[in-house]
Order: sequence, then C-alpha cells, then structure tokens
Amino acid sequence: KQEVTQIPAALSVPEGENLVLNCSFTDSAIYNLQWFRQDPGKGLTSLLLIQSSQREQTSGRLNASLDKSSGRSTLYIAASQPGDSATYLCAVFHDDDRGSTLGRLYFGRGTQLTVWP
Amino acid sequence: NAGVTQTPKFQVLKTGQSMTLQCAQDMNHEYMSWYRQDPGMGLRLIHYSVGAGITDQGEVPNGYNVSRSTTEDFPLRLLSAAPSQTSVYFCASSYAENTEAFFGQGTRLTVV
Repeated sequence: KQEVTQIPAALSVPEGENLVLNCSFTDSAIYNLQWFRQDPGKGLTSLLLIQSSQREQTSGRLNASLDKSSGRSTLYIAASQPGDSATYLCAVFHDDDRGSTLGRLYFGRGTQLTVWP
Repeated sequence: NAGVTQTPKFQVLKTGQSMTLQCAQDMNHEYMSWYRQDPGMGLRLIHYSVGAGITDQGEVPNGYNVSRSTTEDFPLRLLSAAPSQTSVYFCASSYAENTEAFFGQGTRLTVV
C-alpha cells in the first residue's frame, strides 16, 4: 500500500526566508504528484501538478521537484510571506497494482507552516 | 466559476440518522471522489467514480453509499450515522485520470 510521508509536520519561520517542504512515498510507481494548500477550516487549493515525466514545475514563488526513483518530492517556497501560512499537502496518483489510478490520490498528513512578520 | 460545490458546510446528526452530503461540479469532469479528513490521519478515499453510472469503493467505504446518475453530481449517503463518522468530508473532481484534482470547501459533520 502506498504510504506518503511529509516532513516536517510543522515549521515556523520568519518572513523572507526561503524554505523547503519534503514529501516521500514508498512506492515509486506513481503517475503524477500534486501539491495542495489548505487554510484552517477551508478546502484544498491546488498549487502544482507534476507529471511523472517531469522533474520540476514552477508557479510564481513556488517550485516543486520530483524524483520518482528515490520516492521524493520537494516544495520550495521563495521569500516566504505571512500569507503563506497554511498546511501544505502532498498527494500522489497511484494505481495499487491495478494498472490504472482511476483518479485516486494518496495523501500525506501535511506540513503546517507558520510565517511570522 | 463555481468549481466544486459541497452542501451543507456544517451538519450535526444523532447516532442512527441518515443523511446525504451533496457534491456538484460545473467543469464537465468525468472523475469524482469523496475523501474524509481526520486529525492525524490525512485524507482517505471513501468512494470514487470514473463517469456517470460507474462507482467503486476506496479505502474506507463502510457505512457510506454513492451513486452517479449525472456527470455533475456525486452525492454521498450516510446510511446510519455513527460517532466514528465525525469528520470533515471533501469532494474532488478532475477532468481525466491523473489530471489536476479540484476540491470543494468541505462538509464538517459531527455525529453525537
């Protein structure tokens, strides 16, 4: 069974720092990987989708990398701001050896980020 | 753009009651799914659908039913609510397999 782990579970940094959030998965046979942001009491907002054939994907101050062979992805946030405070979730599309993911996602437990002024 | 809409946002049920959580999307997405989010557990898949008339079980399907009569709607039914079903429920949709998934705002359910 696919297991997704996110380290650290919580992170508190001052404004302006560059930071890295880590995601690892036990079965490297994934299709794509998606990063989400979740604000308290809210739904999930999609940040980036990395296709299995890609190694990096960028959106503004966010850069996500994917290394399938080592079962790892990182989310890099440049010049962090208090508005970046949220929980960041990593999820992988995995097929459970069925030959097709059928759109199913496996989630990590998230990294709770606090950026203070 | 409405995206994925879930209703209600909050609900309190008594043990044994039944109810339906509604989910609708206006993006013509074929793939839809339901997840529950519990503290310290992450999101877990309950049921999913790959198109109208086609549904299947996810990781934690017990106590829940789904149907998909239209592309737009994917309701989740709790047959006889139990305190263990206290959770936040999220509906998601995507255009095709392995494409970007979009989530609703969630339904916070408490079973007493």
